[in-house]
Amino acid sequence: DIQMTQSPSTLSASVGDRVTITCRASQSISHNLAWYQQEPGKAPKVLIYKATSLESGVPSRFSGGESGTEFTLTINSLQPDDFATYYCQQYYSEASFGGGTKVEIK
Amino acid sequence: EVQLVESGGGLVQPGGSLRLSCAASGFTFRNYWVSWVRQAPGKGLEWVANIKEDESVKYYVDSVKGRFTISRDNAKNSLFLQMNSLRAEDTAVYYCAREALGVGRVFDSWGQGTLVTVSS
Repeated sequence: DIQMTQSPSTLSASVGDRVTITCRASQSISHNLAWYQQEPGKAPKVLIYKATSLESGVPSRFSGGESGTEFTLTINSLQPDDFATYYCQQYYSEASFGGGTKVEIK
Repeated sequence: EVQLVESGGGLVQPGGSLRLSCAASGFTFRNYWVSWVRQAPGKGLEWVANIKEDESVKYYVDSVKGRFTISRDNAKNSLFLQMNSLRAEDTAVYYCAREALGVGRVFDSWGQGTLVTVSS
């Protein structure tokens, strides 16, 4: 099974900040990584797929990066709607999610 | 507009059974793989099972193999999850999710979820 390790688990930031969340895979998953945003009480929403491709309709302040088995989600100029929990997910072999990163207001 | 609407959740005793349903609309259901993904209260996401467009292939996470069965009815645009021998650790919100075309197991549309509580 492929394990996804996400960090940090909580991140405190202010509106306008640039934040980066990291996800590390336990083995090579090529580019088969997606990022999701989940607001409290709601279903997740896909932001990024294929590690760096922006889902249609998602603001361009969201971007994905990759280096080997390490992947990043960067949010430039954090907006009020961005305070939520973010999950990475590999789909190289079945599917598994990281533990989540809660982005909270500082 | 793509819509996925789950139903069938509720309170069940350990060892009991429950059948979840997901009604799909706004897209050609028979052309898509679909999955069940769950989220225990206050916890992260866990993929549970998925099924190919024509029901010929099904996959499950190890923790539910032999207990859960995924199925679909393309004529009724519906997805199902039969859950048997339920355990306390199966308590979660269960989401129905559509897998994006041509990408792999990327979930591009989700339902609102249905809560399953396993408790005596």
